[in-house]
Amino acid sequence: SQQGEEDPQALSIQEGENATMNCSYKTSINNLQWYRQNSGRGLVHLILIRSNEREKHSGRLRVTLDTSKKSSSLLITASRAADTASYFCATDGNQFYFGTGTSLTVIP
Amino acid sequence: DAGVTQSPTHLIKTRGQQVTLRCSPISGHKSVSWYQQVLGQGPQFIFQYYEKEERGRGNFPDRFSARQFPNYSSELNVNALLLGDSALYLCASSPFDRNYGYTFGSGTRLTVV
Repeated sequence: SQQGEEDPQALSIQEGENATMNCSYKTSINNLQWYRQNSGRGLVHLILIRSNEREKHSGRLRVTLDTSKKSSSLLITASRAADTASYFCATDGNQFYFGTGTSLTVIP
Repeated sequence: DAGVTQSPTHLIKTRGQQVTLRCSPISGHKSVSWYQQVLGQGPQFIFQYYEKEERGRGNFPDRFSARQFPNYSSELNVNALLLGDSALYLCASSPFDRNYGYTFGSGTRLTVV
């Protein structure tokens, strides 16, 4: 079973726009991670945020974590066509759970 | 440095057969995890091994088993294959057992007919 749920399921934006995707989870966690997957192949680790952190940046990525609401968001700024992929949140608690994923399409 | 390597890349098996999937982690990584990903869904956690000990097990039947060898490579075995076992099987490695990002292999696409 998947612990995380992501919203929206699909997102289509123009190149240069920002993309925001959200993740909600159910139990306590040690950290939350975001991954990207292209065309159903291996996942690429993007960023890890620990449970005692509220915000983290990496290049064009900004992640927030609200443990009181059991939710996280991933913001991709100035999107590019190459950002087209599925994005998954993953919670690291008693087990490692992936969310249902957001399919992002960036239109050139 | 080589990434996480999985073999084979594709596999077709018949219902009732057994299959073994292999994974070689990044050099120096002591943790290996296995995931099943059905088309259109997120990966589901199957097993985690760290320093050759099982550290976690997902909600999968006993037909699924795994082990980690002294060189930290790992095998996932699935017995009595069902049509529903058709999926992409992903292996991931990490230097530590927790609180660190995972590096994924490209996966083994298993088709059960």
